[in-house]
Amino acid sequence: DSGVTQTPKHLITATGQRVTLRCSPRSGDLSVYWYQQSLDQGLQFLIQYYNGEERAKGNILERFSAQQFPDLHSELNLSSLELGDSALYFCASSVRLAGGYNEQFFGPGTRLTVL
Amino acid sequence: AQTVTQSQPEMSVQEAETVTLSCTYDTSESDYYLFWYKQPPSRQMILVIRQEAYKQQNATENRFSVNFQKAAKSFSLKISDSQLGDAAMYFCAYRRTSGTYKYIFGTGTRLKVLA
Repeated sequence: DSGVTQTPKHLITATGQRVTLRCSPRSGDLSVYWYQQSLDQGLQFLIQYYNGEERAKGNILERFSAQQFPDLHSELNLSSLELGDSALYFCASSVRLAGGYNEQFFGPGTRLTVL
Repeated sequence: AQTVTQSQPEMSVQEAETVTLSCTYDTSESDYYLFWYKQPPSRQMILVIRQEAYKQQNATENRFSVNFQKAAKSFSLKISDSQLGDAAMYFCAYRRTSGTYKYIFGTGTRLKVLA
């Protein structure tokens, strides 16, 4: 158990709908990263938040948005869903360890199925 | 832009034998981190091993070791005494040491372990 929690574990919805994925980072971790893993592909970086502010953006679609709240949990909002959005969505949180190394811990993922 | 390439979509190894998974990457940075992650059927991302680019010594974790060739931008994973539990997808990943700490993943290698 990495200490990063994601809800829900599974989500089935229809095209055109909107969903919200939630991530709770490990206690004290300020950074949250979102990744998308389509079927049998590597993880693709979507977006990073640090202490409530957007820090970096990857190839995130305009239909997708995210935010990090004061309690540091994060939500990824996916709207106007398409079949191709079906994927596993991972959240990771990171902490800076002694010596300066930044360790990332992955949550269990949310599997989104768009029908 | 940094890229990570895994040219072996699938590999097989006999139980108790040794297998090597290949990874190449491209970057203009001189300092960075490289990782191997294991993704079993549960889909959890499990860190196998980490290599810091400025360290000449190859990282080792029990039965897992890497062959890091910085000049060739190559980072292979050797699994010794393969076990049935090693069967999984293996992803190579790159991360900078400064700026955003997003991971760049390869497309993965599916490892099958034969009894």
